[in-house]
Amino acid sequence: DVKVTQSSRYLVKRTGEKVFLECVQDMDHENMFWYRQDPGLGLRLIYFSYDVKMKEKGDIPEGYSVSREKKERFSLILESASTNQTSMYLCASSRGPAKNIQYFGAGTRLSVL
Amino acid sequence: KQEVTQIPAALSVPEGENLVLNCSFTDSAIYNLQWFRQDPGKGLTSLLLIQSSQREQTSGRLNASLDKSSGRSTLYIAASQPGDSATYLCAVGPMGGGSNYKLTFGKGTLLTVNP
Repeated sequence: DVKVTQSSRYLVKRTGEKVFLECVQDMDHENMFWYRQDPGLGLRLIYFSYDVKMKEKGDIPEGYSVSREKKERFSLILESASTNQTSMYLCASSRGPAKNIQYFGAGTRLSVL
Repeated sequence: KQEVTQIPAALSVPEGENLVLNCSFTDSAIYNLQWFRQDPGKGLTSLLLIQSSQREQTSGRLNASLDKSSGRSTLYIAASQPGDSATYLCAVGPMGGGSNYKLTFGKGTLLTVNP
């Protein structure tokens, strides 16, 4: 089975802190994605990566950056966390062409106080 | 810009009932469509993926259909069970399927199956 692991299920941070959300997949997938999910807004794509060291902006990249130094790991970075970044963050990965099925992690619920 | 709408937003049915969830999209130039399930506080689990050239896909008690020309997909659940209670999301992928492939998600239908 494909496994996508997000390092934390719950995280509480202070405004202005630098926050790292980590995601690891164990199936040698080329593509990895970061989404946030908010009530009434659904899932929105923040960033995605289709290869090591490659990244593409999604629909809402402002206030976020990403890092993909190794194929299996995709990190989402909040340079200076703000309260409007309180959300559920979901990581996903897929094999080969990005059009294939995406497999999701369990999510990280981030609260910024 | 692609928009995906799921109706109804919530549905409550008695156990054993057959049901249909609806998904509509505004741009018919899609590569594929996926149905996902999400349990409360959890990530998404892929249920079915339909390529744009296909009409339907089946997995167990689930059947998903796609009518690209009318911009609609349905997820049919047969003989519903309390364990089917979850939020169901559909997502469409744009034509091309290359590195610019990004899913557009609907907001989901919250299904409750009552024992």
